[in-house]
Amino acid sequence: NAGVTQTPKFQVLKTGQSMTLQCAQDMNHNSMYWYRQDPGMGLRLIYYSASEGTTDKGEVPNGYNVSRLNKREFSLRLESAAPSQTSVYFCASTWTGRVGELFFGEGSRLTVL
Amino acid sequence: SQELEQSPQSLIVQEGKNLTINCTSSKTLYGLYWYKQKYGEGLIFLMMLQKGGEEKSHEKITAKLDEKKQQSSLHITASQPSHAGIYLCGADYSGAGSYQLTFGKGTKLSVIP
Repeated sequence: NAGVTQTPKFQVLKTGQSMTLQCAQDMNHNSMYWYRQDPGMGLRLIYYSASEGTTDKGEVPNGYNVSRLNKREFSLRLESAAPSQTSVYFCASTWTGRVGELFFGEGSRLTVL
Repeated sequence: SQELEQSPQSLIVQEGKNLTINCTSSKTLYGLYWYKQKYGEGLIFLMMLQKGGEEKSHEKITAKLDEKKQQSSLHITASQPSHAGIYLCGADYSGAGSYQLTFGKGTKLSVIP
C-alpha cells in the first residue's frame, strides 16, 4: 500500500536554483495539497488542487508554482529557491468533501543555502 | 493572532499516566480534526469531530468537542511509549465546499518508560 509518495526525500539547493517536488497518490483521491512545516509556524498550506484540472493558492503561495499533471500526480516547483524556502514539505490527498481526512506523504526536507 | 491555539506546546509524562492536550479556536468551527506525527514522518489522521458536544474514542485516545464548537481536547489514558509524537489539531472554518484546514502548531508528547 503506497498511499502518498513524495520524491525526493532530501534535497540541498543553492540560492537561485530551481527544483520540482513530485507527489503521487494511488487512492483515487480527487483533492491534493502541498503544505510546508516550519518550527514555530506549524503546518501552512501552499497550494491545493480540488480536482484534476484546477489549482488554487493557499496561505503561503509566493515563490512556488504547482501542476496537477493528472488525477494521481501533483507537483510543486520552486523556480528560484531562497533560504526562506528551507522547510519540510508535505503532500496530502483526500476525497472531495472530506477536507479534514487528509492522507500525508512522509515529507521532503529541503535546505536552501 | 493565531486562530487555533494548542496547549501545552510540549509534554513529558511517565508511562502509564493520563494526559490531555487542548485545542482552542478564536471562532466557531465546522469541523475539528486530530492528527499525530511521528518524528520525521508525515501526519496520520486520528479523529474527526463535527457536532457540538461530540466525543469519540479509539483505543486509549478520546477526543471531545465542546458545545460551542470552539474548543477540543484530546485525552490519552495510560500512556505508552507508542503514544509519543506531535499531535496537531486542524480546523475547518468554512463547512460545505471547503478545501482548506487551519492547523495548530502542535503539541510534542514524550512518554518516559
